[in-house]
Amino acid sequence: LAKTTQPISMDSYEGQEVNITCSHNNIATNDYITWYQQFPSQGPRFIIQGYKTKVTNEVASLFIPADRKSSTLSLPRVSLSDTAVYYCLVGDIAAGNKLTFGGGTRVLVKP
Amino acid sequence: NAGVTQTPKFQVLKTGQSMTLQCAQDMNHEYMSWYRQDPGMGLRLIHYSVGAGITDQGEVPNGYNVSRSTTEDFPLRLLSAAPSQTSVYFCATWDRQDAYEQYFGPGTRLTVT
Repeated sequence: LAKTTQPISMDSYEGQEVNITCSHNNIATNDYITWYQQFPSQGPRFIIQGYKTKVTNEVASLFIPADRKSSTLSLPRVSLSDTAVYYCLVGDIAAGNKLTFGGGTRVLVKP
Repeated sequence: NAGVTQTPKFQVLKTGQSMTLQCAQDMNHEYMSWYRQDPGMGLRLIHYSVGAGITDQGEVPNGYNVSRSTTEDFPLRLLSAAPSQTSVYFCATWDRQDAYEQYFGPGTRLTVT
């Protein structure tokens, strides 16, 4: 399973764009990249998933360079309610791999 | 639809006691799993199931048993509780067609004294 490395924490201010980069140097050909968000005292919540290039949904964008050795989750114009822990997961579910949650990035949005 | 429900929300056990954490889903998903999350840490997979009657071990299975007799339910049994099992336990479910999007329950906070 590809190991992921993310910053432990990040601070931001309301209205700013937050970019969290995840390194996954040994990503395999069939691995997908998935991001989850977890608020205190709640279970994680799926945000976005991608394989290559750029994926955008109503919540976030995911940028994946051509070599796929890293990915960046972009949260546009954050609000206080975006304060949470964000997890980057890499794996191939179809091959029977189980997604592994690392330590995540704790994002604190300040007023 | 309730999604994924877990009971109880909180539980305190004494060392050596046994108990069962309940997880139920009404999403008709084939896959279910149990994770534990220790303070300030990520989630670690305990056991998972790819369908009724089929279970497999995750990263930290010791001290826990599971069974899957129906699609809806996936109980987690602690055989003889230890303080090291103090944690928050999350149940998750997902569909084979959209396997990367797991739906998590609200969690059970367990303290073993």
